[in-house]
Amino acid sequence: NAGVTQTPKFQVLKTGQSMTLQCAQDMNHNSMYWYRQDPGMGLRLIYYSASEGTTDKGEVPNGYNVSRLNKREFSLRLESAAPSQTSVYFCASNPRVKEVKPQHFGDGTRLSIL
Amino acid sequence: EDQVTQSPEALRLQEGESSSLNCSYTVSGLRGLFWYRQDPGKGPEFLFTLYSAGEEKEKERLKATLTKKESFLHITAPKPEDSATYLCAVLDNYGQNFVFGPGTRLSVLP
Repeated sequence: NAGVTQTPKFQVLKTGQSMTLQCAQDMNHNSMYWYRQDPGMGLRLIYYSASEGTTDKGEVPNGYNVSRLNKREFSLRLESAAPSQTSVYFCASNPRVKEVKPQHFGDGTRLSIL
Repeated sequence: EDQVTQSPEALRLQEGESSSLNCSYTVSGLRGLFWYRQDPGKGPEFLFTLYSAGEEKEKERLKATLTKKESFLHITAPKPEDSATYLCAVLDNYGQNFVFGPGTRLSVLP
């Protein structure tokens, strides 16, 4: 039972490079989320997708884009990486936006921008 | 704007030494408060959901309680394997997104 799978687990980029973080869930959840986690700041929402075909900005969307490829997959793209984007990125899912159910998280992508 | 704070930032306990972690929140109508455990290098793992003031949930050595302004995670006779970061999150009446606290890093020494 895989749950939420994120790839890659680690990545080092140079400033200005681009990359895409991948996320897939196998729980048939409608809603998917991307967070970043920085020391002392908790999880901050970057973007979310309430359902297939929709995406919305969260608290810290600048410098990021997302694609909800299908019901299972939700990717996060950094077009021109900056050192301030060094962080741990988590993908999460839950059955449906506005449903009071816990989120399920992947194990994160640790991203360093030099 | 919804806000969640957690205290203490870090806590070191001896094995068997009970204590409590605090999660204080400000929301426009609480629909649910969630506790998660996060181990180093892993994603948060769900522990409890609390829906209304006065509610309590228990799981092994952990007990979560909820009032109108805060939640406590009580740890009774902790073991070294309870060492982790504990996160709380709230979902408000708009129900769109979860707001997370910064976490409490718990270390239980043998």
